[in-house]
Amino acid sequence: GAGVSQSPSNKVTEKGKDVELRCDPISGHTALYWYRQSLGQGLEFLIYFQGNSAPDKSGLPSDRFSAERTGGSVSTLTIQRTQQEDSAVYLCASSLRTKGHQETQYFGPGTRLLVL
Amino acid sequence: DAKTTQPNSMESNEEEPVHLPCNHSTISGTDYIHWYRQLPSQGPEYVIHGLTSNVNNRMASLAIAEDRKSSTLILHRATLRDAAVYYCILRAGNSGNTPLVFGKGTRLSVIA
Repeated sequence: GAGVSQSPSNKVTEKGKDVELRCDPISGHTALYWYRQSLGQGLEFLIYFQGNSAPDKSGLPSDRFSAERTGGSVSTLTIQRTQQEDSAVYLCASSLRTKGHQETQYFGPGTRLLVL
Repeated sequence: DAKTTQPNSMESNEEEPVHLPCNHSTISGTDYIHWYRQLPSQGPEYVIHGLTSNVNNRMASLAIAEDRKSSTLILHRATLRDAAVYYCILRAGNSGNTPLVFGKGTRLSVIA
């Protein structure tokens, strides 16, 4: 079946503009995650959604970052007033079941964001 | 999640076995050992995971030390397509859907 898809694949924006990044998880997956990978840096967690529970926003680097997940499926990560340090690859992942299982996370190809 | 230590880089010849080590001396009794890899310009992908016993799947084998303080990911015959960054990650037994905590991983180069 279809994997996790993300759009756009690449985004170039000017400093100060807002951007929206989209993630379509695998159908039926209850959990959805956003990660960020900056040049030369490892993958860092940003936010995750689990079913109808309140999202875990503990990884968001500033209040310029927000995310929503509509209808338990598609998610949008919004970065307001982008800064050059926001340039990175933004990765989305989803996984199937709930607590108590060692669930595999399936990653999308990422959105490469460049802030000029 | 407990910390893991991996070499920054390793090199292998094509069609030879590769043993990628991971140290996790502070692992707790209920932590699972997961491996993911990230091919160039792609998102990470799951490779294998285990708790105590050695595990095999179509991609690799996972050998876990008896004291569980270290483990080794084994690629039986490296191909050029196996060139990637390999991440060893510990996950608590009841972690279910919690986010993964990635370290710097091991960058594997495969030489033709």
